[in-house]
Amino acid sequence: DSGVTQTPKHLITATGQRVTLRCSPRSGDLSVYWYQQSLDQGLQFLIQYYNGEERAKGNILERFSAQQFPDLHSELNLSSLELGDSALYFCASSVGALAGRETQYFGPGTRLLVL
Amino acid sequence: DAKTTQPPSMDCAEGRAANLPCNHSTISGNEYVYWYRQIHSQGPQYIIHGLKNNETNEMASLIITEDRKSSTLILPHATLRDTAVYYCIVRVDGSARQLTFGSGTQLTVLP
Repeated sequence: DSGVTQTPKHLITATGQRVTLRCSPRSGDLSVYWYQQSLDQGLQFLIQYYNGEERAKGNILERFSAQQFPDLHSELNLSSLELGDSALYFCASSVGALAGRETQYFGPGTRLLVL
Repeated sequence: DAKTTQPPSMDCAEGRAANLPCNHSTISGNEYVYWYRQIHSQGPQYIIHGLKNNETNEMASLIITEDRKSSTLILPHATLRDTAVYYCIVRVDGSARQLTFGSGTQLTVLP
């Protein structure tokens, strides 16, 4: 158990819909990262938040957005869903920008299926 | 972050040591070598990391060559539960940046 929790575990929805994935980081971790893993793309970084502020963006679509709340939990919002958005979505957390303290710990993931 | 090269797959007999190689010939002086693994569809799991000295923890040992251009992850007594994709990642520490995952090595532990 990494200490990172993600809900829901599974999500089935239809094209055009909107969903919200939730992540609670490990206690004390300030950084939250979101990754997407689809069958043909491998693990891809989407976005990072550090202490409530967006820190880095990766291959995140404009239809996707995220935020980190004052209690440090994070939500990833996916809208206008397409079949190709079906994937595993992982959240990871780390202490922050401190040398030697940047190990990222991953949650169990949310499996999204868009029909 | 430096690019890494890993063999796509390896087999290992249960109870034997699994030695997973990684080439990172363009590594910079301030880049660490990290190893993660992903057991089928689970979240990636941190294993170990190091800068230039060999490292050991309860899961594995990390051997980094003196020129730091390659490293080997050693699972001393592989079990069936060690079957997973193993990722070698090189990155600058202290920057709180994302991990860049390559294709990794699919390790299959055989009974």
